[in-house]
Amino acid sequence: IDLTQSPSSLSASIGDSVTITCRTSHDINIYLQWYHQRVGEPPRLLIFAASNLQTGVSSRFSGRGSGADFSLTINDVQPQDVGTYYCQQTQSSPPITFGQGTRLDLK
Amino acid sequence: EMQLVESGGGLVQPGGSLRLSCVASGFNFDSYHMTWVRQAPGKGLEWVAEIGPNGRDDIYEPSVRDRFVVSRDNAKNSIYLEMKYLGADDTATYYCVRYNGFLESSGSYYYAMDVWGQGTTVSVSS
Repeated sequence: IDLTQSPSSLSASIGDSVTITCRTSHDINIYLQWYHQRVGEPPRLLIFAASNLQTGVSSRFSGRGSGADFSLTINDVQPQDVGTYYCQQTQSSPPITFGQGTRLDLK
Repeated sequence: EMQLVESGGGLVQPGGSLRLSCVASGFNFDSYHMTWVRQAPGKGLEWVAEIGPNGRDDIYEPSVRDRFVVSRDNAKNSIYLEMKYLGADDTATYYCVRYNGFLESSGSYYYAMDVWGQGTTVSVSS
């Protein structure tokens, strides 16, 4: 299953709200996760099952969608949100697949 | 604190072999699926392999299926990735990752990668 994220990169100002989308090549129900990776660090789980916030993750992050169209919204963007965001599907394995990533930086 | 620590990376010649290790702490290791995920320099994430809690269920990304073997020793809280016939495309940071089932409001379990190691770097070059 292929995952296509858009945009590939975006710039935001502190306090902005941004949305990243992830489109899958097949219906995956809600078997969709979102991860955030800062430079030089491993990824961190943000959202599981499309819209469920992982423990300890800020409520500024929210996910929605089902089937083949998903989105991640970051409200009130903060400096620590900079990095690359990946969606991941676990409906069809092997293989588990990731999107190509969306890079977020600050204006 | 839950922790995963990888080791075993390094420089290897094309066609060579390498064995990665990962030691877990801070959680009941033998209750969880574990995976390896890699990331080539400047590139995205790629799932490599998964092993079940009992060590008997292992699955692989197609490009590595005939070259890599994942195993675990629950007595040592460890998983391993034996890699053979390495090529330039295998150059990457390899992450050891816990694959955990989360109960969603519908009553179903959904799996996600919730604990990541810092990674170990494999470079394949002559």
